[in-house]
Parts: sequence; structure tokens; C-alpha cells
Amino acid sequence: AQSVAQPEDQVNVAEGNPLTVKCTYSVSGNPYLFWYVQYPNRGLQFLLKYITGDNLVKGSYGFEAEFNKSQTSFHLKKPSALVSDSALYFCAVLMDSSYKLIFGSGTRLLVRP
Amino acid sequence: KAGVTQTPRYLIKTRGQQVTLSCSPISGHRSVSWYQQTPGQGLQFLFEYFSETQRNKGNFPGRFSGRQFSNSRSEMNVSTLELGDSALYLCASSLADPGINEQYFGPGTRLTVT
Repeated sequence: AQSVAQPEDQVNVAEGNPLTVKCTYSVSGNPYLFWYVQYPNRGLQFLLKYITGDNLVKGSYGFEAEFNKSQTSFHLKKPSALVSDSALYFCAVLMDSSYKLIFGSGTRLLVRP
Repeated sequence: KAGVTQTPRYLIKTRGQQVTLSCSPISGHRSVSWYQQTPGQGLQFLFEYFSETQRNKGNFPGRFSGRQFSNSRSEMNVSTLELGDSALYLCASSLADPGINEQYFGPGTRLTVT
């Protein structure tokens, strides 16, 4: 069965420092991978996706993610964190030909001033 | 361009009642997906509609149903509400294929069952 795992419930980082939010996946076939962010009392906002091509994907708000096939990972990164990046982050995988997104459990990012 | 809208934003119902939630997708989007978000279970896929046809369904009991109209607006219905149905229900729209085409989420409807 296809799934994604976000091993960290919360990530704490100081403003200005680099951040990484981890995601690993388990899929059969080629994975379509996504990152979404959710701010309090809001719906999810799309950050970036990997379908094919370059392993480093650049997205919104200065975020990027690196697809690593051998480690089955798709970690979200940002070189310099902002306090306003504090939010809930979800990794997701699209099940082949199913039109169904499977989400990870979410990681709360807290950026302290 | 207006975003995805969901009505109502908040709802309080009693066990045993039924509820209908509405979602208006972005203009031109033909795919609408529904998700349930709870602290314990996270985000779970309910169903996806495209051109009035349900293309996929998640692992929810038959009390959860949905439909899509010719203008792509969608509704989901939950009958015989249970306390565990309390959740944030999110709707997302995309041009055609969610994932291939980016999904845009609405703000959600927060349902509380007492």
C-alpha cells in the first residue's frame, strides 16, 4: 500500500537558520510527491510537487524539496527560516491513477525569533 | 479569480442528525475532492468527483456520501452523525486530475457533533 511518513511531530528552529522537515514514502511505481502548508484556521496551501525530472524541486515562499529515490525520501528544506513559516506541514503522495492524495500525519514547524 | 469556497464555515449538530456541506470550486475546475481532518487521524481522503462522477472513494462508512453538480459544485452529506464525525472537512478543486494539476483547498467546514 502506498503511504507517506513524517517522523517528526514538531520541528523547532531559530529564525535565520536552515530548516528541514522530513518525509519518507512507500509507493509502487513512480511517486508523485507533494508538500502542503496549513496555517491556523486555514485550508491547505500547495508548496511544491515532484513528478519527474530534477531531484531538487523549488516551490513557493523559498521552500525546496529534494527527491531521493534510494532513500525514498522527499524532505522539505529552506535555507533561512522565518517566524512566519511557523505552521503545519504535510507531505502527500498521489496514488497512481487513483486521483487520491494520501497525506502524512503532519509536522508542526515552530520558528522562534 | 475567486478561491474555493465552503459553506457553512462552522456547524454544530447533534448525534443522529444529518448534515450537508457545500463546496464551490474555482471557476473552470472540474475535479473536487473532499478530506476529513481530525487531530487523531490526520487528513483522510473521502472522495473525488469529476464531471459529476465519483472517481474514487476513501475508506469511510456509507453514511458519508457526496455528489457533484453540472456546474462542478459539490456537496457531501453525512447521515446519522456520530461524535467521531467531529472534524474539519476540507474541499479541494483542481482543473482535472488532482496531483497532476495542483489542488486548491478551501478554508474548511468545522463540524462539531454533540
